[in-house]
Amino acid sequence: AQKVTQAQTEISVVEKEDVTLDCVYETRDTTYYLFWYKQPPSGELVFLIRRNSFDEQNEISGRYSWNFQKSTSSFNFTITASQVVDSAVYFCALSEGPSGAGSYQLTFGKGTKLSVIP
Amino acid sequence: DTGVSQNPRHKITKRGQNVTFRCDPISEHNRLYWYRQTLGQGPEFLTYFQNEAQLEKSRLLSDRFSAERPKGSFSTLEIQRTEQGDSAMYLCASSLIPGGLKETQYFGPGTRLLVL
Repeated sequence: AQKVTQAQTEISVVEKEDVTLDCVYETRDTTYYLFWYKQPPSGELVFLIRRNSFDEQNEISGRYSWNFQKSTSSFNFTITASQVVDSAVYFCALSEGPSGAGSYQLTFGKGTKLSVIP
Repeated sequence: DTGVSQNPRHKITKRGQNVTFRCDPISEHNRLYWYRQTLGQGPEFLTYFQNEAQLEKSRLLSDRFSAERPKGSFSTLEIQRTEQGDSAMYLCASSLIPGGLKETQYFGPGTRLLVL
């Protein structure tokens, strides 16, 4: 069965510091999809990135970067020069889809609460 | 560009009452998912629709829960005879076929349910 582990429950950093959020996953499938979502206090999950298992290229988007390593089953997320607006709960998620019914249901980690202190 | 909307945003009810939540997906999206999120946890899958057909249900979805998606547009999630353990955030997400490489679920703001 699939599983996502986010070992860091809470992280606090001072504004402008870099921070890395860890994500380790377990799956028996060779084709799978990894995601990061941001959940600000308002509650809505905001999509950040999707990665397919056969694409190990790291990705950078502005201050955000992602490091995908199949060898260690990790998909870590780094925020460079953190800002107060980055304060939120961040979730890593895995989809092994499609299921027999065609769904790509997501399995989420428990999330990491990031607090950026001004 | 209209995202996923959910109503109501908050619901307080007494144990034993029935509640119904509504989700309006992104207009061209034909897949719809319901998840439940309890405090300090990540969302957990409840059920999945492709157009109007409910194709998959989690074991978390007890007999007191029912979901519909008439005409493949909006969806409703009803909980009958609510229990205190039903208190949670109920999240709806939608996505567009084809899945696979392009399957990304976009979430609504959720309905926060408190059962007293």
